[in-house]
Amino acid sequence: EDQVTQSPEALRLQEGESSSLNCSYTVSGLRGLFWYRQDPGKGPEFLFTLYSAGEEKEKERLKATLTKKESFLHITAPKPEDSATYLCAVGWNFGNEKLTFGTGTRLTIIP
Amino acid sequence: DGGITQSPKYLFRKEGQNVTLSCEQNLNHDAMYWYRQDPGQGLRLIYYSQIVNDFQKGDIAEGYSVSREKKESFPLTVTSAQKNPTAFYLCASSVNRQNSPLHFGNGTRLTVT
Repeated sequence: EDQVTQSPEALRLQEGESSSLNCSYTVSGLRGLFWYRQDPGKGPEFLFTLYSAGEEKEKERLKATLTKKESFLHITAPKPEDSATYLCAVGWNFGNEKLTFGTGTRLTIIP
Repeated sequence: DGGITQSPKYLFRKEGQNVTLSCEQNLNHDAMYWYRQDPGQGLRLIYYSQIVNDFQKGDIAEGYSVSREKKESFPLTVTSAQKNPTAFYLCASSVNRQNSPLHFGNGTRLTVT
């Protein structure tokens, strides 16, 4: 069964304390891995797409990496405004309807 | 600004009543989707549509219905047959269905008592 697991469920960091969020997957035939940010009561906001192992994408304090089994979202020197739930989704076949979402990591940055 | 508008933000209904959630996009996207988000679970696909007048069931379509009469609009009806309708409902669109990123609206929180 195709699975997407995100860890940890929740993470509290001091402002400026760098860390990583993990998204591991067991799908075969990866078509793409997506990272989203979701603020409370809002819809997810697209961050990155990764298509092949070794690929990296960066945006401000965020950097996403991909291996054959997992993806990491690295957060460097985070600020309180980076507090949100981060979701990953894995495309395992042709078509966006074939997306499996993880349950997310709730990140809190303490000033 | 282009985007997806979902309305209303909060919706309260009595058990046994059908309710329709609105979703409008001005991104000129072909594909549209409805997801349901429950605490502790990943987003689950209810219905999706690739083009006008065509839509397909997702993983949890039972108790829901949709229509796609215009490219911009993809309303979702939660019927009385849906056993656990209380949830956060998210509408999304993408340029096409070929693994292009989803753009989400800000959701409708439905509470049925």
